[in-house]
Amino acid sequence: EVQLVESGGASVQPGESLRLSCSVSGFNFRKFWMDWVRQAPGQGLEWVSHTNHDGSDKAYADSVKGRFTIYKDIAKNTLYLQMNSLRVEDTAVYFCIRENWGLEHCGQGTLVRVSP
Amino acid sequence: QTVVTQESSFSVSPGETVTLTCGLNSGSVSSANYPSWYQQTPGQAPRSLIYNTNIRSSGVPDRFSGSILGNKAALTITGALADDESIYYCVVAPNTGPWVFGGGTKLTVL
Repeated sequence: EVQLVESGGASVQPGESLRLSCSVSGFNFRKFWMDWVRQAPGQGLEWVSHTNHDGSDKAYADSVKGRFTIYKDIAKNTLYLQMNSLRVEDTAVYFCIRENWGLEHCGQGTLVRVSP
Repeated sequence: QTVVTQESSFSVSPGETVTLTCGLNSGSVSSANYPSWYQQTPGQAPRSLIYNTNIRSSGVPDRFSGSILGNKAALTITGALADDESIYYCVVAPNTGPWVFGGGTKLTVL
């Protein structure tokens, strides 16, 4: 069974950093692109970033480019999102998603709250 | 700027069939855009229903089907149930870059 479990969410102040983790199981992690998607309170879903099979190719939404970094640790079966210079508008639940010729399995999410 | 368009709301009676659509402001949606669909109820994580246009995710009943209708992606729910009352999001990969979500369709079953 495919499982994606996010962790690392917390309440932080603007300008601080946070690293989110997504531990995966039930599939060959090294064979799939992986994504981060977020949802601000009361809002819709927003794509944040993705990385390819081996982490050599990455892309980011304009809203996070230069501040967030996505990477994979294949040995640990874990996807990460390093978030620096956090802003109030980054407040959201962050979900990791497996890509499979489309966006597919989604984790339960982890809440990041950025407030002064 | 690429915008994915969805109906903001839709109503269906129990047992009826409803088709939700997903378009692009810049042109047509095709299978090459790998449209996917999620279902979300309040306080819950999105649930994957359909990916790669028409492939059902594991455990999804065959009442849910995906397709391309004209120049849009479509999600059809056959025989709607009260439990289907949710927000439905589509997401596509436009030619201009990675994934873009639609604003979601709030489906009411009554």
